[in-house]
Amino acid sequence: EAGVAQSPRYKIIEKRQSVAFWCNPISGHATLYWYQQILGQGPKLLIQFQNNGVVDDSQLPKDRFSAERLKGVDSTLKIQPAKLEDSAVYLCASSPSSGRGNTEAFFGQGTRLTVV
Amino acid sequence: AQSVTQLGSHVSVSEGALVLLRCNYSSSVPPYLFWYVQYPNQGLQLLLKYTTGATLVKGINGFEAEFKKSETSFHLTKPSAHMSDAAEYFCAVTLLGKLQFGAGTQVVVTP
Repeated sequence: EAGVAQSPRYKIIEKRQSVAFWCNPISGHATLYWYQQILGQGPKLLIQFQNNGVVDDSQLPKDRFSAERLKGVDSTLKIQPAKLEDSAVYLCASSPSSGRGNTEAFFGQGTRLTVV
Repeated sequence: AQSVTQLGSHVSVSEGALVLLRCNYSSSVPPYLFWYVQYPNQGLQLLLKYTTGATLVKGINGFEAEFKKSETSFHLTKPSAHMSDAAEYFCAVTLLGKLQFGAGTQVVVTP
């Protein structure tokens, strides 16, 4: 079974530029998560989808971050414009759960973003 | 409010010694609890989980954890550390369907 795929693995941009990350979850997984992991910290949930609907985006900085999940499968996370403090690893995860959260999340390898 | 607290951001253990990583959670309802491991430049991998049933949970690579409701804890242990256990470990809890992580504990194993 293929795992969660993310691209690109690494990205370096200048502040105020825009960037997009792509995630292909495990086939059939209804739940998709985007996390931001700043160096030395635990992953912080940015947005959670259940199929193609948003379950939670309370910690997503909506003035600069946006995310969508096309047809309940692939997802894209965008930052526009980027700030220095956005430098982090962006992790995508998926889960077969129905939304109760009792099943594990499977993680991709992440995209390391450096904003200079 | 902090949902998951991991005590100790860094732990150093000798090869062959006991590994003990502490995790406490705050929840008014029984949560689902997880431990994940992250190796350098990798995503997170599930070690073990507690959902219902037996409170002592066994995971991969010889790790186990015990859910103690009275102490709101889910500490991770391994009887004998191996060099390959050097990694960062995250405790996580699902509350209202949201998976939230602690700050992590970096484990260093010395020969």
